[in-house]
Amino acid sequence: EIVLTQSPATLSLSPGERATLSCRASQSVSNYLAWYQQRPGQAPRLLIYDASNRATGIPARFSGSGSGTDFTLTISSLEPEDFAVYYCQQRSNWRITFGQGTRLEMK
Amino acid sequence: QVHLVESGGGVVQPGGSLRLSCAASGFMFSNYGMQWVRQAPGKGLEWVAFIRYDENNKYYADSVKGRFTISRDNSKNTLHLQMNSLRVEDTAVYYCMKDAAGYGDYPYYSDYWGQGTLVTVSS
Repeated sequence: EIVLTQSPATLSLSPGERATLSCRASQSVSNYLAWYQQRPGQAPRLLIYDASNRATGIPARFSGSGSGTDFTLTISSLEPEDFAVYYCQQRSNWRITFGQGTRLEMK
Repeated sequence: QVHLVESGGGVVQPGGSLRLSCAASGFMFSNYGMQWVRQAPGKGLEWVAFIRYDENNKYYADSVKGRFTISRDNSKNTLHLQMNSLRVEDTAVYYCMKDAAGYGDYPYYSDYWGQGTLVTVSS
């Protein structure tokens, strides 16, 4: 099973600041990595797929990068609605796994 | 507009069974793989199972293999998860999800999720 490790566990920032979230895979997943956002009480929402492609309707302030084992989700300028939990997910084989999540909280 | 509505959750004793359903609308259900993912209270996401668009491939997480069965009825646009031999650690919100790309042989990213149904396993 491919293990995804996200860091940091919690990130405290203010609106307007830049957020950088990391996801590291225990072995290469090529670019088969996605990022999801989960707001309290809601289902997750797909933000980024195949490491760097924005899903439909996702604002341009969200961007993804990386390949192999190291991936980054960047939010260029935080809006109030961006404070949530973010999960990475790999699909390099049929055994899908998620990272443990990064909580982005307002400072 | 895509809608996924789960039902069938509830409270069950350890060793018991439940059958979850997911009613899908707003897309060509028979063209897309579907998945179940669960989230224990206050915890992260755990992938549970996948079924190919035509039901010919099914994959399960090790934690549920042999106990859970995923199925679908393309004539009724409905996804199911039969859960047997339930354990306390199966307590979670169960989400059904649609693959973002059609006709896949393996699980893909999920572009639509239901709101989830809570399964509580407790004596």
